[in-house]
Amino acid sequence: EVKLMESGGTLVQPGESLRLSCTASGFTFYNYDMNWVRQAPGQGLEWVSATDPGASSTFYAGSVRGRFAISRDNSRSILFLQMNSLRAEDTAVYYCARRIGYSRTYHMDVWGKGTTVTVSS
Amino acid sequence: DFQMTQSPSTLSASVGDRVTIRCRTSQSISSWLVWYQHKPGRAPKLLITKASMLESGVPSRFSGSGSGTDFTLTITSLQPDDFATYYCQYSDTFGQGTKLEIK
Repeated sequence: EVKLMESGGTLVQPGESLRLSCTASGFTFYNYDMNWVRQAPGQGLEWVSATDPGASSTFYAGSVRGRFAISRDNSRSILFLQMNSLRAEDTAVYYCARRIGYSRTYHMDVWGKGTTVTVSS
Repeated sequence: DFQMTQSPSTLSASVGDRVTIRCRTSQSISSWLVWYQHKPGRAPKLLITKASMLESGVPSRFSGSGSGTDFTLTITSLQPDDFATYYCQYSDTFGQGTKLEIK
């Protein structure tokens, strides 16, 4: 079964750091681009970050650029999101998703169930 | 700047109804429009790619149409399992979402 499972979400204070993980199974992880997408409480889906299979190309939403870093360990089929200088507005459920397609013309065919990050003092 | 406008934001309907959700883009995206279904606490589910291509396993009551800047998702004969939030997507942009509620 093709599966993604996020972990690492918790309650943190503003300014702190957190690393999320997404463990893939059932497919050849190192062949795929991957995304992080989040959903703040009461809001819609927001793309956060993307990486190519080798993590040689990484991309970020403007709201997180310079604070978040995406990476991956292909030997263990794990995607990471290092989140630094967290703000209250980063509070959200974070999903990892597998990307299919090229450049701007892609879709996400496999998603995890998400992990919740709460930033509050 | 690329903009995507999804409407309505909320839709109330009954089991058996036919509903349509619309997604408009500020620039032509050919047919590169994607639709997802999302339920609380669950992983978003891919429904349709390339504006009208139904994913395997998605019921045929779901259909998508459109090209250029104007797209629609139609659900015929609503079933109880269809009440959820629906999103369109192109590249790194999602529509605002349409919450389909039971009337």
